[in-house]
Amino acid sequence: AQSVTQLDSQVPVFEEAPVELRCNYSSSVSVYLFWYVQYPNQGLQLLLKYLSGSTLVESINGFEAEFNKSQTSFHLRKPSVHISDTAEYFCAVSDFSYNTDKLIFGTGTRLQVFP
Amino acid sequence: EAGVAQSPRYKIIEKRQSVAFWCNPISGHATLYWYQQILGQGPKLLIQFQNNGVVDDSQLPKDRFSAERLKGVDSTLKIQPAKLEDSAVYLCASSRIRGAGEQYFGPGTRLTVT
Repeated sequence: AQSVTQLDSQVPVFEEAPVELRCNYSSSVSVYLFWYVQYPNQGLQLLLKYLSGSTLVESINGFEAEFNKSQTSFHLRKPSVHISDTAEYFCAVSDFSYNTDKLIFGTGTRLQVFP
Repeated sequence: EAGVAQSPRYKIIEKRQSVAFWCNPISGHATLYWYQQILGQGPKLLIQFQNNGVVDDSQLPKDRFSAERLKGVDSTLKIQPAKLEDSAVYLCASSRIRGAGEQYFGPGTRLTVT
């Protein structure tokens, strides 16, 4: 069965510093990969996704993630974080080789940005 | 375009009581999902509907949980009787095309069982 590992449960960082949130998934033939963000008391919002094509995908607010098939990773990066980026970030995979297209989530990484 | 609507936002019940959650997906979205998110964990799929048919309910505790989507639009998730370990946020999501990957989530219902 597909699984997702987020290696860091919490990542503290100062404002304007770079950040990387790590995500690894178990190997499969074909997968879709996602990063969702959850702000306090809000639902999950899609941050970015990899379906096919270019292995580097970007969001509108400066985040990017690179699909690395050989390392089965989909790490999330931002070169300069802002206070407003403080949130919980979830990596997810959808394995469309099975009947369902459910999302398998990691346990989340809490990004805390300090002034 | 209106997002996924859920109600209530918060619910507190005692163990062994019953509770129901409601979800209205984005208009035109044929696929609807219910996820359970326990504190400190990622969401876990409970059940997936395609229109009014069940696609996947393999992780739904069927002895106490039930869900329906009778007209292929809104959906209700019920727990009867509730246990302490059911305390969680229940998230509803919808997608326009099954298999396209992108799911849109509602704000969730936070359930506390005492």
